[in-house]
Amino acid sequence: EPEVTQTPSHQVTQMGQEVILRCVPISNHLYFYWYRQILGQKVEFLVSFYNNEISEKSEIFDDQFSVERPDGSNFTLKIRSTKLEDSAMYFCASRFGTDTQYFGPGTRLTVL
Amino acid sequence: AQKVTQAQTEISVVEKEDVTLDCVYETRDTTYYLFWYKQPPSGELVFLIRRNSFDEQNEISGRYSWNFQKSTSSFNFTITASQVVDSAVYFCALRLDFSYDKVIFGPGTSLSVIP
Repeated sequence: EPEVTQTPSHQVTQMGQEVILRCVPISNHLYFYWYRQILGQKVEFLVSFYNNEISEKSEIFDDQFSVERPDGSNFTLKIRSTKLEDSAMYFCASRFGTDTQYFGPGTRLTVL
Repeated sequence: AQKVTQAQTEISVVEKEDVTLDCVYETRDTTYYLFWYKQPPSGELVFLIRRNSFDEQNEISGRYSWNFQKSTSSFNFTITASQVVDSAVYFCALRLDFSYDKVIFGPGTSLSVIP
């Protein structure tokens, strides 16, 4: 069964560094998403992406964040200058024409 | 505003007991979708079920069943004869029909099934 994949599974970085989290959505899906889950808390929507542009973003998704679909398969989330509070699990999700978003296994980001 | 509430933060049950996880949602929209996701200790989010607001029929899938009641804005999840592998955090979530994007998650209920 097709699934969303994410790399790396765990990323450790120093405060102020740039990180890029990578996702490969399910191949025929058209809508892509990033969510964040701070440890022990609920899952929060960050951004959605369709037709090569952002369709919706939350207040969390400020100028430090950007998303890109650099080719036909990858979908990336970049954090330009990481802060301690960016430490979280980041989930990528994708959707085709149904109403269900399917989530990847997550990337745990640790900012030191 | 839209909101999902899961009042039970943590539940512990002994294996083979039945357990119900509560979910209450708030929305003024008439068309919406409700979801349950499971997050095992390994961390991934596993989709369990989707329900649209026009379909109040309860659903059973093996040991899992869901009770959707629009009158009380609830979408409860029951696990029958719980097993240790059911230990996880369970999230109830809501998406509005006009927004194809944002899924609003509840805070989650951590279920521990004790052997």
